Amino acid sequence: DVKVTQSSRYLVKRTGEKVFLECVQDMDHENMFWYRQDPGLGLRLIYFSYDVKMKEKGDIPEGYSVSREKKERFSLILESASTNQTSMYLCASTPGRLSGEQYFGPGTRLTVT
Amino acid sequence: SQQGEEDPQALSIQEGENATMNCSYKTSINNLQWYRQNSGRGLVHLILIRSNEREKHSGRLRVTLDTSKKSSSLLITASRAADTASYFCATDKGAGSYQLTFGKGTKLSVIP
Repeated sequence: DVKVTQSSRYLVKRTGEKVFLECVQDMDHENMFWYRQDPGLGLRLIYFSYDVKMKEKGDIPEGYSVSREKKERFSLILESASTNQTSMYLCASTPGRLSGEQYFGPGTRLTVT
Repeated sequence: SQQGEEDPQALSIQEGENATMNCSYKTSINNLQWYRQNSGRGLVHLILIRSNEREKHSGRLRVTLDTSKKSSSLLITASRAADTASYFCATDKGAGSYQLTFGKGTKLSVIP
């Protein structure tokens, strides 16, 4: 079974802090994704990566950056956390270059105070 | 912008009844997928239907796709309390795309 893990289930950070959210998948998937999920807004794509060191902006990249140094690991970075970045963050991965099934991690609920 | 939009936003039924959720989208797609999310957890893939398919079954799930109306429906038959979750449709951006756009979801409550 594909396993996608995220570094924390719950995280509380202060405004202005640099925040790292990490995601690891164990099935050698090429593509990895970061979403945020907010009530009434559904899932929105922040960034995705289709190969090591490659990244592309999603629909809402402002205030975020990403890093993919190894194929299995995709990190989301909040350079200077703000209260409007309080959200549920979901990581996903998928093999190949077509829009097939995405495998999701359990999510990280981030609160910025 | 949202590609898929689910309807209704919330649905409450008795155990044993069937549940139907609908999804509408705006642009051409390569495939459409349905996912389930239990409260506070990640999404789990349920079923994928390609643009050249009209209907697909998986256990108690039945998905239909009408590309002329740009709509899909998910039917869960003989619902169980364990089916209580949010259900999302997701569409790609056409051939060659590996991004998905998710709708806002239908929250299903199955009352024992």
